[in-house]
Amino acid sequence: DAKTTQPTSMDCAEGRAANLPCNHSTISGNEYVYWYRQIHSQGPQYIIHGLKNNETNEMASLIITEDRKSSTLILPHATLRDTAVYYCIGGSPSGGGADGLTFGKGTHLIIQP
Amino acid sequence: DTGVSQNPRHKITKRGQNVTFRCDPISEHNRLYWYRQTLGQGPEFLTYFQNEAQLEKSRLLSDRFSAERPKGSFSTLEIQRTEQGDSAMYLCASSSRRTSGTGTQYFGPGTRLLVL
Repeated sequence: DAKTTQPTSMDCAEGRAANLPCNHSTISGNEYVYWYRQIHSQGPQYIIHGLKNNETNEMASLIITEDRKSSTLILPHATLRDTAVYYCIGGSPSGGGADGLTFGKGTHLIIQP
Repeated sequence: DTGVSQNPRHKITKRGQNVTFRCDPISEHNRLYWYRQTLGQGPEFLTYFQNEAQLEKSRLLSDRFSAERPKGSFSTLEIQRTEQGDSAMYLCASSSRRTSGTGTQYFGPGTRLLVL
């Protein structure tokens, strides 16, 4: 799996957009970029994934640069419940299905009231 | 879809005792994973099943650890002769490329183990 680099922590004001960056310069052409988050004392929660194109779902948007060396997760209107550790993961060629995911330490996002 | 469930949610045991955890994946998910997470770290992959076959084991999985998935549905993770270093959150996840297309993994709430 590709190695990813994320900031250790970030703050964001409630109601504002939270933009979480991730560098994955060694990602291979067929590896997905997955984002998960983990709220304190809970299991990780899947947020979104993408390969080349930008993606959007009910939770977030994922912007992947054209060279695929970095991406940004966007939470459009952050709430206090979005306070969590966010993990960016370069998935295996099979799309994370056949291999275990390699989690780093993630970004601790703190939403300020 | 009731999600991945794990039991028990918490377990306190004394050093040297054996413990067993159970994971029930999302129905129809043919892949099941076990991870371990210690304080301040991200989850670490332990092992993976496709149906009842255990296809991959991490070097983190010592001889004291054994996992089974006898009928390709629920799975158990047993730790024999527990040590204080085994204290961690044990997470289970399941996936199916048939249903999600990319095999996205869905995690359970975890079992928190404390070895005294």
